[in-house]
Amino acid sequence: SAVISQKPSRDICQRGTSLTIQCQVDSQVTMMFWYRQQPGQSLTLIATANQGSEATYESGFVIDKFPISRPNLTFSTLTVSNMSPEDSSIYLCSVTRPGLAGGPQYFGPGTRLTVL
Amino acid sequence: AQTVTQSQPEMSVQEAETVTLSCTYDTSESNYYLFWYKQPPSRQMILVIRQEAYKQQNATENRFSVNFQKAAKSFSLKISDSQLGDTAMYFCAFMKHDMEGKSTFGDGTTLTVKP
Repeated sequence: SAVISQKPSRDICQRGTSLTIQCQVDSQVTMMFWYRQQPGQSLTLIATANQGSEATYESGFVIDKFPISRPNLTFSTLTVSNMSPEDSSIYLCSVTRPGLAGGPQYFGPGTRLTVL
Repeated sequence: AQTVTQSQPEMSVQEAETVTLSCTYDTSESNYYLFWYKQPPSRQMILVIRQEAYKQQNATENRFSVNFQKAAKSFSLKISDSQLGDTAMYFCAFMKHDMEGKSTFGDGTTLTVKP
């Protein structure tokens, strides 16, 4: 398994501001994934972050709104920029273990964001 | 594109009884992986069980087992001897063999185990 921590665990922000969420993994991983989850709903993939390259964004998500950094193999950040109430959600970091085909995903505890 | 359908938004079961959660998926792929994840009210999602599509044998993990019907594209989860700690949201997920980590998730089933 993988132990993943996220900071902050929750935050309440004003519209128009930005929040950076940190994700730390206890071991080196190739890819890190950022998801958004509305409470009680399914997960939506925002982007995939590879170390040393630009993040790959899913349809409907853009770098200007959700810039991602991946400075090393154990850490990534997701910034939610120019927030609006529609950005209120739970943001989850996820990883897979390298070298295991079809391996499961491991998830962080999530960051609960409320935008007023 | 793959789709995953969980037709039961909510289910409940009495403690110690057995419950089955349904999942169907749509894909043209022949080699893939299927997962059930559990997300308790505390929010952190964990793996329950994993199935490799090229293996006919159904995966089992203690009280959790699956009924994998590849031709029917069905992947149900059976929980035996349900416990209060099984109360959670359960997600079925599909992953192509060459798409490391990029799973497609169903909408989830909220399971409540009643004492």
